[in-house]
Amino acid sequence: EAGVTQFPSHSVIEKGQTVTLRCDPISGHDNLYWYRRVMGKEIKFLLHFVKESKQDESGMPNNRFLAERTGGTYSTLKVQPAELEDSGVYFCASSPLGVNYNEQFFGPGTRLTVL
Amino acid sequence: GDSVTQMEGPVTLSEEAFLTINCTYTATGYPSLFWYVQYPGEGLQLLLKATKADDKGSNKGFEATYRKETTSFHLEKGSVQVSDSAVYFCAPYTGGFKTIFGAGTRLFVKA
Repeated sequence: EAGVTQFPSHSVIEKGQTVTLRCDPISGHDNLYWYRRVMGKEIKFLLHFVKESKQDESGMPNNRFLAERTGGTYSTLKVQPAELEDSGVYFCASSPLGVNYNEQFFGPGTRLTVL
Repeated sequence: GDSVTQMEGPVTLSEEAFLTINCTYTATGYPSLFWYVQYPGEGLQLLLKATKADDKGSNKGFEATYRKETTSFHLEKGSVQVSDSAVYFCAPYTGGFKTIFGAGTRLFVKA
């Protein structure tokens, strides 16, 4: 069974540009989460989808960040326009509904560098 | 708010030494508790979990016991190996349906 995949693995962009990160969860996992780790700090929650609905987006830093999950499968996280402080590693995780809803499987992360 | 305090690293041990990484937390509701591990160049992997008080999670020789009275979930291993070198994250899954992470503890094991 394929794990959580993320694309790209690395992205280097200039301040003011737009970047879109993609996450493909494990097939059948209705819960999808985005987290990020900025340099030297803890991994922080960004948002949580259940199927195509945003369950909790309290961790989104500002309105430059937009997450979507059309059709309840893969998700995208767009940063527009990117700022220097957005640099970090963005992780996606998925989990099933039901008994093991809290057991999250993480993707390898996308390392974003904003110059 | 919810938070995790995890012992700072890096921790450097010789092979076969005993490992303890302390973790305490504050969280809403009755969280499930997890330890994740990140090996060099890889993503986060679930190491072990415990879902209720006094449960012991274990995997690959690592253990941690859910201590509700002290809100702790310390990670232990009796004899570490070089291959255990990684970053370890204490991570409660809270009543808010999200995981909160400690800062991570980097472990170096010398042969």
